[in-house]
Amino acid sequence: QQKVQQSPESLSVPEGGMASLNCTSSDRNFQYFWWYRQHSGEGPKALMSIFSDGDKKEGRFTAHLNKASLHVSLHIRDSQPSDSALYFCAARRHYGSSGNKLIFGIGTLLSVKP
Amino acid sequence: GALVYQYPRRTICKSGTSMRMECQAVGFQATSVAWYRQSPQKTFELIALSTVNSAIKYEQNFTQEKFPISHPNLSFSSMTVLNAYLEDRGLYLCGARGGAFSDYTFGSGTRLLVI
Repeated sequence: QQKVQQSPESLSVPEGGMASLNCTSSDRNFQYFWWYRQHSGEGPKALMSIFSDGDKKEGRFTAHLNKASLHVSLHIRDSQPSDSALYFCAARRHYGSSGNKLIFGIGTLLSVKP
Repeated sequence: GALVYQYPRRTICKSGTSMRMECQAVGFQATSVAWYRQSPQKTFELIALSTVNSAIKYEQNFTQEKFPISHPNLSFSSMTVLNAYLEDRGLYLCGARGGAFSDYTFGSGTRLLVI
């Protein structure tokens, strides 16, 4: 079973709109989260990480984590066509341990229409 | 900044042959290197994680005999796909990080096509 579940699989929003992506870890051992973005033809790039309950804001991007439910979301306000990409949620078991692995969800394909 | 380069970007190999891909970390010391395969459906599979001073750990369904990995220093890693078949096709991604509290930086991948 996939340890990290994402929804929706695809999402289309108008330019200037709000995009909301969801992610849940089914394994309580994996509770440190990252959001990665992958444009076509490139590798994934880390957008932001979140480890504590509540919101974390970086520019137009806001991540929210609920540790009790192991649910994390990513909200993109004022979406731009350049935000169109695959977005992956990734989770790790520990933050500081050198040997632990990063597990990815299946991704959400975001399309921002001009 | 931290950059990871992978080469070749794209390669085609005949079924049953082998193919080696390389990963170079620039601007930081890659104490951990993770190799992933991204399927045509875009899902990520972790192949193995290599950390300095530790044995390389392979995930279930991946073996050293099929995907031997070398991590000889803090800036370079390579992986070979031995005896490649159709099910091995995909985008092979190298992610590296410079310490236990660093984020992984990924290269652009090596796309493997098997004919």
